Amino acid sequence: DTGVSQNPRHKITKRGQNVTFRCDPISEHNRLYWYRQTLGQGPEFLTYFQNEAQLEKSRLLSDRFSAERPKGSFSTLEIQRTEQGDSAMYLCASSLYQSRSYEQYFGPGTRLTVT
Amino acid sequence: KQEVTQIPAALSVPEGENLVLNCSFTDSAIYNLQWFRQDPGKGLTSLLLIQSSQREQTSGRLNASLDKSSGRSTLYIAASQPGDSATYLCAVKPNTGNQFYFGTGTSLTVIP
Repeated sequence: DTGVSQNPRHKITKRGQNVTFRCDPISEHNRLYWYRQTLGQGPEFLTYFQNEAQLEKSRLLSDRFSAERPKGSFSTLEIQRTEQGDSAMYLCASSLYQSRSYEQYFGPGTRLTVT
Repeated sequence: KQEVTQIPAALSVPEGENLVLNCSFTDSAIYNLQWFRQDPGKGLTSLLLIQSSQREQTSGRLNASLDKSSGRSTLYIAASQPGDSATYLCAVKPNTGNQFYFGTGTSLTVIP
């Protein structure tokens, strides 16, 4: 068990470019969450997967954001036509459905800076 | 919509002091509450999870309590150490849905 990993750790991009982040959850975890965190705030929920199915999306997730989890393993979060307001830390978390505790384990995050 | 508040926003204490961090939530229909620690620029580390049927959980120098009816949880840290300096966040999971709601955190500084 190597924990939740996220890549890249840092991303600097110019406004209008597309970016993609990757999350690898703990291997047996079938629940996966994406959050966004800005400075001085708590994480805000973006979306939730159970296995490969995206079961819940926040209203914060505009149509420029899309997430996938092919085959219920790793997940990707893509932001199209980035805006300066997208600058934030993007966090991924996973948990085990069978545990029924919903205890979340977080990755180190990807810090996005849009210039 | 669930609202989660953490007071104070920042706290500074001398090493060795016992301290209490507060978390309040507006809707008592919660499934569980989880306390996390976050170091600057890093991800979140789970500290304690309390199910709605539980009153408290303990791990080492940490003790978390839950009073669901009043919408409050506290995190007690005994004999604080400089290494405890971090931001502490609480998160609640409602009974319905998969969304977790986080507070804005308490930034703790333990002065040697």
